[in-house]
Amino acid sequence: SQTIHQWPATLVQPVGSPLSLECTVEGTSNPNLYWYRQAAGRGLQLLFYSVGIGQISSEVPQNLSASRPQDRQFILSSKKLLLSDSGFYLCAWTLPDSKGLYGYTFGSGTRLTVV
Amino acid sequence: GQSLEQPSEVTAVEGAIVQINCTYQTSGFYGLSWYQQHDGGAPTFLSYNALDGLEETGRFSSFLSRSDSYGYLLLQELQMKDSASYFCADPLDTGRRALTFGSGTRLQVQP
Repeated sequence: SQTIHQWPATLVQPVGSPLSLECTVEGTSNPNLYWYRQAAGRGLQLLFYSVGIGQISSEVPQNLSASRPQDRQFILSSKKLLLSDSGFYLCAWTLPDSKGLYGYTFGSGTRLTVV
Repeated sequence: GQSLEQPSEVTAVEGAIVQINCTYQTSGFYGLSWYQQHDGGAPTFLSYNALDGLEETGRFSSFLSRSDSYGYLLLQELQMKDSASYFCADPLDTGRRALTFGSGTRLQVQP
């Protein structure tokens, strides 16, 4: 069966510090991978998605970046965090070209607080 | 612009039926997905409507009308554990391989 792992679960970082969040998927090949962010009590904002190794589509560039160094690994990074980067970060995967038919499976999320 | 609109909050009592609506504006539409998210948790996939009509999965049903750019999630025999946020979603663009989510509807089930 397929599983998705996301870590860490919570993170408190000072303004201006770097960020690295990692997400890995097991039990499937060539998944579509996604990073979403959710502010408290709000909807999900798409940050990045990837349909293959090294292929990254950016929705909200800001000061964040994403990389996919391996087929089932997706990394979200920042060189210098801003207060506005606080939120609940969610990684998700789905089958390629499914257009949502089979649903997205989300990781358990990382709650980031920038202080 | 392209968007998915949902009511922000809905309140219902245990055992009742509740309908959560979603209207969309887009130049490219594939099908409507629904997700449930409990406080502090990650969203989980509930259903997907590619075609017009009603899809039933246990106590939950989802409906789509492409001609009206409208869909809804119907929850029957409400239970306290159904208190959560519910999101509709669609790529909203024929060339986009990622879902855009509505702003979400917070359902509060009361005893």
